[in-house]
Amino acid sequence: ETGVTQSPTHLIKTRGQQVTLRCSSQSGHNTVSWYQQALGQGPQFIFQYYREEENGRGNFPPRFSGLQFPNYSSELNVNALELDDSALYLCASSLRDSYGYTFGSGTRLTVV
Amino acid sequence: GDSVTQMEGPVTLSEEAFLTINCTYTATGYPSLFWYVQYPGEGLQLLLKATKADDKGSNKGFEATYRKETTSFHLEKGSVQVSDSAVYFCALSVRGGGGADGLTFGKGTHLIIQP
Repeated sequence: ETGVTQSPTHLIKTRGQQVTLRCSSQSGHNTVSWYQQALGQGPQFIFQYYREEENGRGNFPPRFSGLQFPNYSSELNVNALELDDSALYLCASSLRDSYGYTFGSGTRLTVV
Repeated sequence: GDSVTQMEGPVTLSEEAFLTINCTYTATGYPSLFWYVQYPGEGLQLLLKATKADDKGSNKGFEATYRKETTSFHLEKGSVQVSDSAVYFCALSVRGGGGADGLTFGKGTHLIIQP
């Protein structure tokens, strides 16, 4: 079985731009969630998708948005990038309400 | 809100030493508790979990016991190896394994094992 894959692995954007990060869920998983991990910090929950709808959100502004597709892959979109958005973005997939989250290796976003 | 506090790092030990990484939490409801490990350049891997009070999670020689009375979930290992060098995160979820509110993580503890 394949794990969670994220693309790209690294990305540099300019303040004010928009970015899209992608995630392919582990085979058989129907739930995907996204986390932001600033340098030296623990991951922070951005939102979760189940059946193509957002069903939970952390303390992030609306310029952070997402999509889940019928094949359970997902996108994270961030508009109007700010310098503080520089972080490692992690995608995790699971079966809903299970304890088995599988994390990807992340996308390192740098905003300059 | 929910929160996790874990000991600051880095923690530096010699090979075969005993390891304890402290973790305490505050949560509404009855959380499930987790330890995740992150190796350089990689994502998070679930190390062990406990879903109710007095449960003991264990894996690869690591163990942690869910202590409701002290709201703690300390990670221990009897004899560490150089390969255990990584960042360890304590986390909780109030609903299932990471329901609609996601996982709440501590800041992480960087463990360095010297040969």
